[in-house]
Amino acid sequence: GAVVSQHPSWVICKSGTSVKIECRSLDFQATTMFWYRQFPKQSLMLMATSNEGSKATYEQGVEKDKFLINHASLTLSTLTVTSAHPEDSSFYICSARTGGDEQYFGPGTRLTVT
Amino acid sequence: QQQVKQSPQSLIVQKGGISIINCAYENTAFDYFPWYQQFPGKGPALLIAIRPDVSEKKEGRFTISFNKSAKQFSLHIMDSQPGDSATYFCAATANSGYALNFGKGTSLLVTP
Repeated sequence: GAVVSQHPSWVICKSGTSVKIECRSLDFQATTMFWYRQFPKQSLMLMATSNEGSKATYEQGVEKDKFLINHASLTLSTLTVTSAHPEDSSFYICSARTGGDEQYFGPGTRLTVT
Repeated sequence: QQQVKQSPQSLIVQKGGISIINCAYENTAFDYFPWYQQFPGKGPALLIAIRPDVSEKKEGRFTISFNKSAKQFSLHIMDSQPGDSATYFCAATANSGYALNFGKGTSLLVTP
């Protein structure tokens, strides 16, 4: 299957700082990438849909000014958590869609805000 | 509102047994139904997927059964192994280009 990477795999930051998470499709071009958030023992919650070269579409209840998404190229999307607070601590996962039906997920980024 | 309902929440199966996880949906526009396997601390991995034009798809020990009229689909894991112990998510989407609607997940434990 197609490979999606995320960096970093885990990050600890202080409250009030910003953190950037990268999502890359390594062996295919992804016109669409998705960002999810997952709390322990829960399902994945879609945060936003990111299309290359255009503004991301955010799900209801997700603050676009807090979770900045940039999809600068067909292989890279970034999620920046601005002014992070402890309640933003979570597991963030991106997925990328190939030209077909399949969506492949990255390994996730564990964010801890102290 | 959960668009895909998944059951059971947890499942314990003996090694060699069959694990069965069920999902149901309401949106008749859904036309792509994947299953994902997730290990703790990892991202979900695509296991197998089906479109509604077929009633069953098999890949190795994994089989999806699909009932379009009942709007239900299920994952069968044959000859379950301890290494299959993970959380399984069903999902559905319309037109494949849209985001996946996930079920709440099933935690599977396969005992030796």
